[in-house]
Amino acid sequence: SQQGEEDPQALSIQEGENATMNCSYKTSINNLQWYRQNSGRGLVHLILIRSNEREKHSGRLRVTLDTSKKSSSLLITASRAADTASYFCATDDLRAGSYQLTFGKGTKLSVIP
Amino acid sequence: GAGVSQSPRYKVAKRGQDVALRCDPISGHVSLFWYQQALGQGPEFLTYFQNEAQLDKSGLPSDRFFAERPEGSVSTLKIQRTQQEDSAVYLCASSVAGLAGFIEQFFGPGTRLTVL
Repeated sequence: SQQGEEDPQALSIQEGENATMNCSYKTSINNLQWYRQNSGRGLVHLILIRSNEREKHSGRLRVTLDTSKKSSSLLITASRAADTASYFCATDDLRAGSYQLTFGKGTKLSVIP
Repeated sequence: GAGVSQSPRYKVAKRGQDVALRCDPISGHVSLFWYQQALGQGPEFLTYFQNEAQLDKSGLPSDRFFAERPEGSVSTLKIQRTQQEDSAVYLCASSVAGLAGFIEQFFGPGTRLTVL
């Protein structure tokens, strides 16, 4: 079963606006990652934030992590039509020997030109 | 360089047929993962290989699912006696080494399996 829940499930914005997506998870983690999936294509890694970090930036992406609330947010600034995709958070597991990434259900982002 | 490739990209099977899905990881990547992604959902872990050793198969949904990586490179996911609930996109990912969370996983485009 999936660990994470993204919120909202779908988001539609105008080009140039900012998009914020949230993710909640259930277990203790080493780190959290965000992935993007364009329609009919594989997942592309966007950014990783470690459990001892609170905020991380990469280009137009800003990720926050609150381990006390077991939640993360992904902010995309100055959105472009090419940002239209589904966005997933993924967590690993603190259990020793765990190799799995556990994904949420994703947020479907539509950026209208 | 080449990324992770998967074949076929699309597969239609009649219920009860056996199917084999292939994954070619990035050259030199030690770790290989298989995920199942149902429509409108996130990927779910199936199994993990480190070289040729299958270290975790806890996500395989039934004994009809079998994966192998005999020479530590190409991997095959086999589904026997397919059922309609097996319809999904099957994603393969590889990484250089190490635990899932610390090392970026590179995903292939997936194989979309439709069972009629």
